[in-house]
Amino acid sequence: TQLLEQSPQFLSIQEGENLTVYCNSSSVFSSLQWYRQEPGEGPVLLVTVVTGGEVKKLKRLTFQFGDARKDSSLHITAAQPGDTGLYLCAGPANFGNEKLTFGTGTRLTIIP
Amino acid sequence: GAVVSQHPSWVICKSGTSVKIECRSLDFQATTMFWYRQFPKQSLMLMATSNEGSKATYEQGVEKDKFLINHASLTLSTLTVTSAHPEDSSFYICSAGRAGYEQYFGPGTRLTVT
Repeated sequence: TQLLEQSPQFLSIQEGENLTVYCNSSSVFSSLQWYRQEPGEGPVLLVTVVTGGEVKKLKRLTFQFGDARKDSSLHITAAQPGDTGLYLCAGPANFGNEKLTFGTGTRLTIIP
Repeated sequence: GAVVSQHPSWVICKSGTSVKIECRSLDFQATTMFWYRQFPKQSLMLMATSNEGSKATYEQGVEKDKFLINHASLTLSTLTVTSAHPEDSSFYICSAGRAGYEQYFGPGTRLTVT
């Protein structure tokens, strides 16, 4: 079973600060996805990274896929209260498999 | 983007009764649908994978006789929690996918068993 460990588990910071969330595994993933989930709602896909070393930017969010495709990070610049939520990384359970394994999650709170 | 709906969005039932949750892909045909369970402050755990017209594949530790899944068409899958107990209270989320495309998640159904 491929496990995805996220750190930190909880993060509470002031508006305007920067932060990084990590997603680590001992297994290689063909791709990794990042989702944000708000209370009482389903997760919403933010990005998919496919190539080792890939960096993708989505406004103030920067996603990186490790060279070995075993880890990924999400960096948020100048965090805003709207960034509050549960951030989840996820990857295919097996190569070519549609099943997703979700990370342990990082609950982010941005204090106005 | 593709839209997936769930019904109901929340339900309260008495212990021992059964509850059915629907998952629909509104604007595309989903070859595969997935059912997840999420406890408070935790991540999503895959319960089962269902393909249209065939039996669902359950993850280890998930009781198939308790969580009945029917994927009757390419746009509808249902999850029935049979003889529900308070420990079945959880947030149930479905997702729908097509081969080669991403999964699209529904808004979730909160089940409370009293």
